[in-house]
Amino acid sequence: SQTIHQWPATLVQPVGSPLSLECTVEGTSNPNLYWYRQAAGRGLQLLFYSVGIGQISSEVPQNLSASRPQDRQFILSSKKLLLSDSGFYLCAWSAPPFGQEQYFGPGTRLTVT
Amino acid sequence: AQSVTQPDIHITVSEGASLELRCNYSYGATPYLFWYVQSPGQGLQLLLKYFSGDTLVQGIKGFEAEFKRSQSSFNLRKPSVHWSDAAEYFCAVGAGTGTASKLTFGTGTRLQVTL
Repeated sequence: SQTIHQWPATLVQPVGSPLSLECTVEGTSNPNLYWYRQAAGRGLQLLFYSVGIGQISSEVPQNLSASRPQDRQFILSSKKLLLSDSGFYLCAWSAPPFGQEQYFGPGTRLTVT
Repeated sequence: AQSVTQPDIHITVSEGASLELRCNYSYGATPYLFWYVQSPGQGLQLLLKYFSGDTLVQGIKGFEAEFKRSQSSFNLRKPSVHWSDAAEYFCAVGAGTGTASKLTFGTGTRLQVTL
């Protein structure tokens, strides 16, 4: 069966510091991968998605970037965090190429101070 | 572009009572529709999905949802709520069909269950 992992689970970082959040998927090959940010009362906002290694699509302009260095690894990064980057970050996967349901990881709570 | 509206931000029901959570979507073609549940501090779990066929779909944990094209709705129901159902529920619509999944989520409905 497939599993999805995210780490760290929680993170407190000062403004201006770098960020690296990691997501890995097990039990499937070449999944489509997604990064979402969840803010209270605003649902989920899709930040990035990837259909293959090195292929990243950005949905909204922002202070964040994503990379996919390996088939089942998806990384969310920032060079300098802003207060507005605080939130709950969720990674998800769907089956390639056109699987529609997405399966979510446990999330990372990021607090920028 | 597709959109999802969940008109109820917060609902409180008594344990054992029936539940209906509303979801309205906007999409030009036949949508792919989903309901997810999220417990505090956790990721989202897929409850059920509608792609085509029978408009009444059954999901996990005793939930069901009915697709009504004429009303652009996909309401979630459960005949008897348990205290463990307290969580936040998200409706989502996908464009699908020949493209990678791209879901648009509603803002969620928080369910509180009183004993």
